[in-house]
Amino acid sequence: KQEVTQIPAALSVPEGENLVLNCSFTDSAIYNLQWFRQDPGKGLTSLLLIQSSQREQTSGRLNASLDKSSGRSTLYIAASQPGDSATYLCAVRRGNDMRFGAGTRLTVKP
Amino acid sequence: DAGVIQSPRHEVTEMGQEVTLRCKPISGHDYLFWYRQTMMRGLELLIYFNNNVPIDDSGMPEDRFSAKMPNASFSTLKIQPSEPRDSAVYFCASSLGSSGVGNEQFFGPGTRLTVL
Repeated sequence: KQEVTQIPAALSVPEGENLVLNCSFTDSAIYNLQWFRQDPGKGLTSLLLIQSSQREQTSGRLNASLDKSSGRSTLYIAASQPGDSATYLCAVRRGNDMRFGAGTRLTVKP
Repeated sequence: DAGVIQSPRHEVTEMGQEVTLRCKPISGHDYLFWYRQTMMRGLELLIYFNNNVPIDDSGMPEDRFSAKMPNASFSTLKIQPSEPRDSAVYFCASSLGSSGVGNEQFFGPGTRLTVL
């Protein structure tokens, strides 16, 4: 059974810092990995989708990498801003079985 | 497109009552998913449909839960009778295709259910 772990569970940084969120998974036979953002009381917003054949994806200040063989993904956020404060979830997918991590709660202090 | 639409956004009911959650997927998407999110268990897949047909309902917690998709633009998740432990946020998501490029899942805003 696929297990997805996100470390750290919570992170607080001052504005302007670059930061890395980690996601690990136990079964490397995945189709893709998706990073989401969830604001308090809100739904999930898709940030980046990495197909199993890809190594990374970039969108603006966000860069996600995938190392399928080691079962790891990282989400890099450059020049963090208070508006980046949210919970970030990673999810791995095989077929239509999608497993989520518990998330990393990020706080960016002005 | 307006994205995935869910209603109601909030539902408060008493134990034993029937609850119906509704979802309208993104037009043209052929997969629809129902998830439940709780503090204790995080996000869990309950059931998903392909072309209106339920494919995998192994995540449905018990017989009190049922889901239907009568057409490509509408799905319901019903809980009867509801219990306090069903309190959670229920998300609906849709996607185009099952695997490979283009199968990003798009989530609705969720329905926050509170069972008293």
